[in-house]
This record gives sequence, C-alpha cells and structure tokens, in this order.
Amino acid sequence: GAGVSQTPSNKVTEKGKYVELRCDPISGHTALYWYRQSLGQGPEFLIYFQGTGAADDSGLPNDRFFAVRPEGSVSTLKIQRTERGDSAVYLCASSFLAGESDTQYFGPGTRLTVL
Amino acid sequence: GQQVMQIPQYQHVQEGEDFTTYCNSSTTLSNIQWYKQRPGGHPVFLIQLVKSGEVKKQKRLTFQFGEAKKNSSLHITATQTTDVGTYFCAGTPFSGGYNKLIFGAGTRLAVHP
Repeated sequence: GAGVSQTPSNKVTEKGKYVELRCDPISGHTALYWYRQSLGQGPEFLIYFQGTGAADDSGLPNDRFFAVRPEGSVSTLKIQRTERGDSAVYLCASSFLAGESDTQYFGPGTRLTVL
Repeated sequence: GQQVMQIPQYQHVQEGEDFTTYCNSSTTLSNIQWYKQRPGGHPVFLIQLVKSGEVKKQKRLTFQFGEAKKNSSLHITATQTTDVGTYFCAGTPFSGGYNKLIFGAGTRLAVHP
C-alpha cells in the first residue's frame, strides 16, 4: 500500500499480558517513529528508529516497553505485563529521511485496551 | 522539559465563522508543523513552517510562525463542516538532530451548519 499500515487496528488484552503491535512504514522510508496518544491529548513521542537502530528511546515510559526494527523496515512495539494505564492509541509514523524538516506520515494506529 | 501549549482546547463555531488556534512553545523551535485529526482518524500533515515570521496559506487556512520561533497560529476563514476535527501543532526543538515532534494537546473544532 501507499501509506503506513499498522496491525492490529484494535487490541483488547488483560492486565499482565504481553502484546505486540506492528508497524509497516512507507516503502523506502528510513526513519520510523512510535507515538502514544491518550484520549484528548496530542501524540506523545516514544521511540525513533534510523534504519535498524533505535536512535532515541527516551520516550519509552519504562522497561516494560521495547521496540525493534530488525531489517530496517517493519517495526514491532512490545509491551510486557500490560497495565490499565497502557490503554491508548499507539501511532506509528515514517519519514523518508530523518532530518528536522522531514515530514512524518502517520499510520491509522492501534487502539490498545487493557482490561 | 520542552512543552508545547495549545489554546483553546475546544472551539464551537457556526458555519461561515472564522476560527483561530494558537500554539506556544517553552523553547525556541527549529520548525513547527500542523496536523489535522478527524474523529476516529490519525493525524494528517497539513504544513510545516521553518522561517522566523513565516506565513503560509492553503486556501482558507493561514499559518503563521512567530518572529521568535516560539509560537504559531492557524486561522481558518469562513469555516465549513468539513473543517471539523482536532488541529495539532507539533514543534521540533533545536539540536534534536532529527524531527522529534513535541505535540500540543490540540484544539477540537466543531462546526454547526
């Protein structure tokens, strides 16, 4: 497809479970970003990948959150021992390059609900 | 830490009225970007402003970047029902080295016919 895709679109899980959220960026985009958006708030930066490496993971809230991008394309955000406070929409964005002026294109997001 | 504040949180207008949302950063920005998010949708890029004092127009939308590169505004002339959604500003701090966006909380626009 032409845009950023994310799967699943919705995920309902129980407290304490492990979840994986997938992001497929626009083909050829080298930079990939994960954001979290809580209800009524703007997206909050989590982590940024340049190629395969996590160049900035300063936004990850704690060590239960981890993300990988092993081949420099698809990325997976992993959340261990989920808590109710993790419920939010997780957005992925990609850009062709990683410069300060490079436009980020957002995917539709994964709505995570932790019961 | 770096913060981007956006006001108002919510604006309710009659179709045909004008609308403005304001964005203020606690630090000087490299650039500022504006996104629109429809209900149930994801943020869609509208525009980027880079230069101090820059003004850009897209049809009925006018975007401004302040002289100090710490504030910005979006003005919509003669709103239409298709303008409904939440408008976010997002700033890129200097020295980040990449496009690390700091989003405001957004202004939700409701337009009544």
